[in-house]
Order: sequence, then structure tokens, then C-alpha cells
Amino acid sequence: GQSLEQPSEVTAVEGAIVQINCTYQTSGFYGLSWYQQHDGGAPTFLSYNALDGLEETGRFSSFLSRSDSYGYLLLQELQMKDSASYFCAVDGSARQLTFGSGTQLTVLP
Amino acid sequence: DSGVTQTPKHLITATGQRVTLRCSPRSGDLSVYWYQQSLDQGLQFLIQYYNGEERAKGNILERFSAQQFPDLHSELNLSSLELGDSALYFCASSVELGGGNEQFFGPGTRLTVL
Repeated sequence: GQSLEQPSEVTAVEGAIVQINCTYQTSGFYGLSWYQQHDGGAPTFLSYNALDGLEETGRFSSFLSRSDSYGYLLLQELQMKDSASYFCAVDGSARQLTFGSGTQLTVLP
Repeated sequence: DSGVTQTPKHLITATGQRVTLRCSPRSGDLSVYWYQQSLDQGLQFLIQYYNGEERAKGNILERFSAQQFPDLHSELNLSSLELGDSALYFCASSVELGGGNEQFFGPGTRLTVL
């Protein structure tokens, strides 16, 4: 089976940097995805890491360490609109996504 | 707007009833996924179709079934509804198979079972 762990809540102030960690256990692994979901809205894709290392897309970066079964999402220059839930998801042996329970990020002014 | 459409947006029904949720994927996407999201929970993968064929099953109850039609739209059928089935049901689509492909999510159908 597959399991993922990520913090349930994170709080930071506008302009700061925040890191959301994700650890996973899986029988097969192809990659780690990150999705953002605003309250009541549809999840939207942020990133996908198949290889070790850091992928940067604007203010957001995602990191993967396959040997440590660990990844993180880094959000820089936080803005109020970044307040949302962030989900890591494992692309496992069945080639479909298993999502974590999500991290609720609150950005304070 | 992701390009994925879902109908209806809201659905209120009673226990024991049957409902059908509909999804139209983005133009050109062959893969359709169904997810269930209960209050304050993550997304639970239910089932995936690719070009009309079932490709993967997740934690889908036997009371639930789905299909993908030749025009690639998909329907999720939920029967003998229970209170615990109340949730947001999302449909997503992607161009190809594989979890690494960006999935585009529809706006969801909020199901309330009374």
C-alpha cells in the first residue's frame, strides 16, 4: 500500500518563505506531485518531480529525495492568495496518484 | 477554467437513492479520473478510464460504478446512498496515462445525502 504524511497546518506571514514537507511509503514509485486547492475550489497542478533534486517554477519550488522517500514544496515571497491547501501525491506502481491529507497554509498580513 | 466540466454542481438526495454524476474532459484528453473528497480530507482516488477502458481502481465501493463513453465523457453512478457518501466528487482529465501527467480538475459536484 501507500501512505503519505504532511503537516496538517502551517502559518506564515506575507513575504516570508515556507516549506511544506511530505514523506511517503510506497511499494512502487515514479514521482511526487504537488497540487494546490483553495477553499471549495478544484485542485490545480503545481509540480511533478520524478528525479532527485530541486525544480523551480517562479515563486514555487519542489524537491525530491528518492532515497529518503521525502519531498517538500517551497513557497517564497508569500502572498495572501497563497492561503490554500497543498497536497503531495505519489505516482505509484499503478501509475495513478495517491494524495496526502493536505496542508492548510494560512498567510497572515 | 481547467476545461473540464462537471454536472450537476450540487446534488441533494436521500439515503437509499441513486445518482449519476457527469464529467466532460478537456478536449484531447483521453484519461479520466474520479476522486472523492470528504470534509477536510484529502482526495481519494476512485477509478480511472483511458480511451473508454477502465485502467485502474482505487477505494471505490461496490455501490459505485463508472463508465467512459465513446465521446470520452464519463459518468459516475452512486447507488444505495448512505449519509457517509456526502462529499465533493471531482473528475480530472489528462492527456496520457501516468501519474506524472498534469491532471486538470473539474469544479466538482457537491453531493449531500440526507
